[in-house]
Amino acid sequence: DGGITQSPKYLFRKEGQNVTLSCEQNLNHDAMYWYRQDPGQGLRLIYYSQIVNDFQKGDIAEGYSVSREKKESFPLTVTSAQKNPTAFYLCASTRTSGINEQFFGPGTRLTVL
Amino acid sequence: QKEVEQNSGPLSVPEGAIASLNCTYSDRGSQSFFWYRQYSGKSPELIMFIYSNGDKEDGRFTAQLNKASQYVSLLIRDSQPSDSATYLCAVRPTGGGNKLTFGTGTQLKVEL
Repeated sequence: DGGITQSPKYLFRKEGQNVTLSCEQNLNHDAMYWYRQDPGQGLRLIYYSQIVNDFQKGDIAEGYSVSREKKESFPLTVTSAQKNPTAFYLCASTRTSGINEQFFGPGTRLTVL
Repeated sequence: QKEVEQNSGPLSVPEGAIASLNCTYSDRGSQSFFWYRQYSGKSPELIMFIYSNGDKEDGRFTAQLNKASQYVSLLIRDSQPSDSATYLCAVRPTGGGNKLTFGTGTQLKVEL
């Protein structure tokens, strides 16, 4: 089955720790995105990548880092510099031609202890 | 002014009624418009997209786009309790590449 997978589903972080969230897709999509969602709020773009080995900051990139070494994978690292990381993190992907509808993975819920 | 605005709700409708969800956007050059459904604790699921003025129907769902007035709406006919969710409007703005700008969502409650 084609789709987007994210792991882990739940993640707990101690203050001062870096953690990495996994996102993998087998849809052959070129573009991938990371969003953050806080309770009662919409999606805010953290980072996105249109092609392998290239990525751009979104609206709230501070305290986060990404890499795009493979087309299928776009991991997100939440660093200790991110002061309020507790949120629901969503990965999405899309083609870069046509309508460009984004499809989402199931999400990772990160909690800082 | 927010780029994509939605009434947060909750919008309550009785089972079997038509639910009407609205979204306005600020970028007049926006090209594509998307509606996502998000159940509590889950990720957004694409329902429909529209890019031409007018109506687009898919089953019980109809998307309506009016570029001159800069609004897009989603109608859900014969609403069911399973339609109870938050509906997110997303817009692909001018020069945004493939990025989407999301509204904060409207919570819909379909009551028995």
